Amino acid sequence: GENVEQHPSTLSVQEGDSAVIKCTYSDSASNYFPWYKQELGKRPQLIIDIRSNVGEKKDQRIAVTLNKTAKHFSLHITETQPEDSAVYFCAATVYNQGGKLIFGQGTELSVKP
Amino acid sequence: DAGITQSPRHKVTETGTPVTLRCHQTENHRYMYWYRQDPGHGLRLIHYSYGVKDTDKGEVSDGYSVSRSKTEDFLLTLESATSSQTSVYFCAIRDDRGPQPQHFGDGTRLSIL
Repeated sequence: GENVEQHPSTLSVQEGDSAVIKCTYSDSASNYFPWYKQELGKRPQLIIDIRSNVGEKKDQRIAVTLNKTAKHFSLHITETQPEDSAVYFCAATVYNQGGKLIFGQGTELSVKP
Repeated sequence: DAGITQSPRHKVTETGTPVTLRCHQTENHRYMYWYRQDPGHGLRLIHYSYGVKDTDKGEVSDGYSVSRSKTEDFLLTLESATSSQTSVYFCAIRDDRGPQPQHFGDGTRLSIL
């Protein structure tokens, strides 16, 4: 079955710096890759997603890149702000086979003012 | 916010007792999912449903059963709760039109003593 590895587990940056979180997946059939942000005590919320037929997607300060050959995808946050502090999860799925998400272990991002 | 309601939001019970968690949606989505979240493990799929009376197992289904008798309700049952099932449980829903993200409920914090 699918396995998703996420690194780093913790990341501390200064406000205004960039943050990068990386994930690798094992199942070459995976074709949809969402990223979720979870604040303490809250539910995971989608921040960006990418399909397997796209190499990069941007939404304001957030971007995701996908390398299907290497089976890895990354989240890039630019101009970080204290409110970006949270746990971020990557996930992978074959969306047309039940859409069961396999999550990475999470990255705790801390943005210091 | 997606129309998802989980109940109860918090529950404390004893080992060996049955427990049922409810997920209710108002979006008329075909797919519904139950995940558990534990430190160091991210979110792991327990069971999911792809329609009324249609369910399938996820990564960590042992000790859990589910039922879906109506589109809007997906129940998760622990027949005889164990301390290892102490966790935060999240329900998610997904539209089945293409690669759509899952949207999560607010979670149920379950403690088994």
